[in-house]
Amino acid sequence: KQEVTQIPAALSVPEGENLVLNCSFTDSAIYNLQWFRQDPGKGLTSLLLIQSSQREQTSGRLNASLDKSSGRSTLYIAASQPGDSATYLCAGPAGGTSYGKLTFGQGTILTVHP
Amino acid sequence: DTEVTQTPKHLVMGMTNKKSLKCEQHMGHRAMYWYKQKAKKPPELMFVYSYEKLSINESVPSRFSPECPNSSLLNLHLHALQPEDSALYLCASSQIGFSGNTIYFGEGSWLTVV
Repeated sequence: KQEVTQIPAALSVPEGENLVLNCSFTDSAIYNLQWFRQDPGKGLTSLLLIQSSQREQTSGRLNASLDKSSGRSTLYIAASQPGDSATYLCAGPAGGTSYGKLTFGQGTILTVHP
Repeated sequence: DTEVTQTPKHLVMGMTNKKSLKCEQHMGHRAMYWYKQKAKKPPELMFVYSYEKLSINESVPSRFSPECPNSSLLNLHLHALQPEDSALYLCASSQIGFSGNTIYFGEGSWLTVV
């Protein structure tokens, strides 16, 4: 059974800082790992998906890495802005499938203050 | 277009009512999902449809009845719900068949059972 853990649970940083969010998972046979952003009262926005054959994916100021051997993924946010404030969730498919049941971490609540 | 559209955005219903949540996507995705999210918790899978057939039911009570009329539409029929069923209901969709399947979520339907 896939279990996903995110640390820290909450993070508050001043604008302009570079920061790292951490995600760990128990099933190393993971096909992919996806990072999402959720604004209060809203749905989930997909940020990045890393396939098991990849080590990194980049989109703008975001960079996500995946290390299957250690069961870890990180989301790096460069030059943080107040608009980055949200809950960040990582998730991977359970049961050795490439789609279907996503197991989510508990999320990291990020606050970027001006 | 990477949009999953959910209606209604908000729904208040009594415990004896029958109502439905609707979801639509036009990305050609053949997997569609219902997730339930309680406050300050990550989403939890309820149902998965693959090629318009129910493939995963996470032991959801029968007062929730999913339906997939065609490859673009997904409904969730609600009947005799309990106040503890109040939550954000998220619809999502993805392709099937390779390890890089990004899952796209809608904005959700906020359900309050009174």
